[in-house]
Amino acid sequence: DVKVTQSSRYLVKRTGEKVFLECVQDMDHENMFWYRQDPGLGLRLIYFSYDVKMKEKGDIPEGYSVSREKKERFSLILESASTNQTSMYLCASSSTRGGGTGRTYEQYFGPGTRLTVT
Amino acid sequence: GENVEQHPSTLSVQEGDSAVIKCTYSDSASNYFPWYKQELGKRPQLIIDIRSNVGEKKDQRIAVTLNKTAKHFSLHITETQPEDSAVYFCAAAPPEYGNKLVFGAGTILRVKS
Repeated sequence: DVKVTQSSRYLVKRTGEKVFLECVQDMDHENMFWYRQDPGLGLRLIYFSYDVKMKEKGDIPEGYSVSREKKERFSLILESASTNQTSMYLCASSSTRGGGTGRTYEQYFGPGTRLTVT
Repeated sequence: GENVEQHPSTLSVQEGDSAVIKCTYSDSASNYFPWYKQELGKRPQLIIDIRSNVGEKKDQRIAVTLNKTAKHFSLHITETQPEDSAVYFCAAAPPEYGNKLVFGAGTILRVKS
């Protein structure tokens, strides 16, 4: 079974702090994602990485950065946490194996980190 | 870019009844449409998916239908049970997005016993 783990289930930080959220997957997946989940807004992509040291901005990258130094680990960084970044953060990974109609897009999610910024 | 709209936002059904959740997408090139289920306090998990070369797919009590002309796809759950209560997300995969998915806003399904 694919296992995606996140460093914390719950985190409380103060405004202005630098926050690190870590995600680790054990299936040698090329792709890793960071989402933010808010009620009524679904899963919004913050950043995406398709290889080590490679990253792409998602739909809501402002106020966030990422790091992928190793294939299994993808970190989300809040440079200066603000109260509007209070949310549930979900990490996911997927494989690029297969092509054409056999391409696999399935994403495997971590358990989430509930971040509260006060 | 691709936009996925999902309706309804909440749905309450009596145990044993059927539930239908609908999604529309904007990019006609999208070729893969998964559905994820997220139980309370748990991570989203894939429950069923459909590719653009197929019109319908079934897996026990759940089925997904795809209408490419109208650009919409639906999740059908028959004989609902309390354990079906969860948030359901649809998504679409436009080829130009690489390996990314575009998710709908989610539907909260409550099955009343």
